[in-house]
Amino acid sequence: DSGVTQTPKHLITATGQRVTLRCSPRSGDLSVYWYQQSLDQGLQFLIQYYNGEERAKGNILERFSAQQFPDLHSELNLSSLELGDSALYFCASSVVTGPNTGELFFGEGSRLTVL
Amino acid sequence: GQSLEQPSEVTAVEGAIVQINCTYQTSGFYGLSWYQQHDGGAPTFLSYNALDGLEETGRFSSFLSRSDSYGYLLLQELQMKDSASYFCAVRDQQAGTALIFGKGTTLSVSS
Repeated sequence: DSGVTQTPKHLITATGQRVTLRCSPRSGDLSVYWYQQSLDQGLQFLIQYYNGEERAKGNILERFSAQQFPDLHSELNLSSLELGDSALYFCASSVVTGPNTGELFFGEGSRLTVL
Repeated sequence: GQSLEQPSEVTAVEGAIVQINCTYQTSGFYGLSWYQQHDGGAPTFLSYNALDGLEETGRFSSFLSRSDSYGYLLLQELQMKDSASYFCAVRDQQAGTALIFGKGTTLSVSS
């Protein structure tokens, strides 16, 4: 158990809909990262928040948005869903923000199926 | 931008040694990490190399050559439970402290 909690574990919805995925980082971790993993694909970095502020952006679509709240939990909002958005969405957290770390702690993921 | 190349699949038998290579292109490279992911599960951290050389952790070792933009993960005394996907990942200036992952190598260990 990494200490990172993601809900829901599974989600089935229809095209055009909007969903919200939630992540609670490990106690004390200020950074939260969101990743998307499609079938047979690697982990695509979407976005990072640090202590409530957006820190870095990856390949995040305009239909997607995220935020980090004062209690440090984060939400990833996916709207106007398309079939291709079906994927595993992982949240990860880390405690430090310096360059000399290589460890992120991943949650178990939220599996989104768009029908 | 960043790019990482690693083999898509590797097969081996129990007790053998396997090396998974990773080459990368980034700007402002900080270090190379390795992660293991069992089918559909959470990726878990294996190792991190910021400096050239070999890092050993039990049956797993990781190597980095910054001048060659190359690293590898060495798995010894393979066990069935080592069957999983292995990802190399880089942290670089553009992504801040986020990791950019390769597409992963699926390791199948047979008896």
